[in-house]
Amino acid sequence: KNQVEQSPQSLIILEGKNCTLQCNYTVSPFSNLRWYKQDTGRGPVSLTIMTFSENTKSNGRYTATLDADTKQSSLHITASQLSDSASYICVVSARLEGGADGLTFGKGTHLIIQP
Amino acid sequence: DVKVTQSSRYLVKRTGEKVFLECVQDMDHENMFWYRQDPGLGLRLIYFSYDVKMKEKGDIPEGYSVSREKKERFSLILESASTNQTSMYLCASGLGGRAYGYTFGSGTRLTVV
Repeated sequence: KNQVEQSPQSLIILEGKNCTLQCNYTVSPFSNLRWYKQDTGRGPVSLTIMTFSENTKSNGRYTATLDADTKQSSLHITASQLSDSASYICVVSARLEGGADGLTFGKGTHLIIQP
Repeated sequence: DVKVTQSSRYLVKRTGEKVFLECVQDMDHENMFWYRQDPGLGLRLIYFSYDVKMKEKGDIPEGYSVSREKKERFSLILESASTNQTSMYLCASGLGGRAYGYTFGSGTRLTVV
């Protein structure tokens, strides 16, 4: 069964500090991996998307890494800001018959940035 | 930017009512999805569609149906709403394939009383 596990479940850090969120997956056949940021009460917003051949991708202060051999990804946030407080969701895509992607979601890491 | 629009942000319905949640995307995407999101359970797939008039059951289709009569519109229908269908409902669309991402709507928070 396809699964995506995220850690930690929640994290509190001080403003200005860095942090790293982890995502381990067992999804086959792998298509791509995405990180989303979800503010409370809103829909998820895409931060990065990586395919099998990509092992790092940045979006401003967010840097995602992917190790397809060990099936692990991380999201590193640099110089955190109060607006980074949100849930961060790892989503791994597998190719389904018929062409659509099957998305498997992690349960998210709830990040709180304290002033 | 791709826009995925869900018709309502907040909805309150009575038990037994028929409920329609509408989702419209403006980028000619083939694939559209309906998820529900509950605390501690993450996002769970209800139904998806990879073409007009095509639909596939997701992980939790019971109590729901969908309609995709036009490419840009994917509707989720609760035939007879129940209190356990109180949830945040999220629609997503995308082209699919290795290099493409998916865009989510802002969500509809449905409360069934």
